[in-house]
Amino acid sequence: DTGVSQDPRHKITKRGQNVTFRCDPISEHNRLYWYRQTLGQGPEFLTYFQNEAQLEKSRLLSDRFSAERPKGSFSTLEIQRTEQGDSAMYLCASSLGHREVTGNTIYFGEGSWLTVV
Amino acid sequence: DQQVKQNSPSLSVQEGRISILNCDYTNSMFDYFLWYKKYPAEGPTFLISISSIKDKNEDGRFTVFLNKSAKHLSLHIVPSQPGDSAVYFCAAYSSGSARQLTFGSGTQLTVLP
Repeated sequence: DTGVSQDPRHKITKRGQNVTFRCDPISEHNRLYWYRQTLGQGPEFLTYFQNEAQLEKSRLLSDRFSAERPKGSFSTLEIQRTEQGDSAMYLCASSLGHREVTGNTIYFGEGSWLTVV
Repeated sequence: DQQVKQNSPSLSVQEGRISILNCDYTNSMFDYFLWYKKYPAEGPTFLISISSIKDKNEDGRFTVFLNKSAKHLSLHIVPSQPGDSAVYFCAAYSSGSARQLTFGSGTQLTVLP
């Protein structure tokens, strides 16, 4: 399978614990995104990498959230001191972006469900 | 401020008929639009897209229409099949500024056999 891969698919954690999600983008895709989706809503943008550089962060990304893409390939999203409001599906996506090309299609992984109890 | 709106949370259609899903946007900087299909507990799957320089794009049973003056787009599925039952998200992108997609809240399509 050469799609976007996310791990784990499901995570249940106690409030206050730290969790980390991993995303492996489609090979050679230089752009990587993290989104969050709650029930009844569309995905909301969290952050975006071009290669290893984190270029944009949403205001939704509080200081308890940190994302990295150390070698420009896989990425991790860590949530520290989880709260019940963090319960959501965390989606990773990737695309092959070139400055001169408009509207590169963004492909999503299957998501990582987080439940904070 | 919802920049992409899908005002119909649900739509039911008979198998074989046309499904029309609508989407409105407010940000005139959006220049690329995408439709995604999502099953429960899975990530969104890309369906079809359209650039703002076009007003129609077709791919098999799926056609997307863009009306820039009305800031409106629609997805037509003909003929509808029971396997099309899913949540459909409209998303928009501005290549000149931010790089992220802005999504609507989705429309649950149910195709009845």
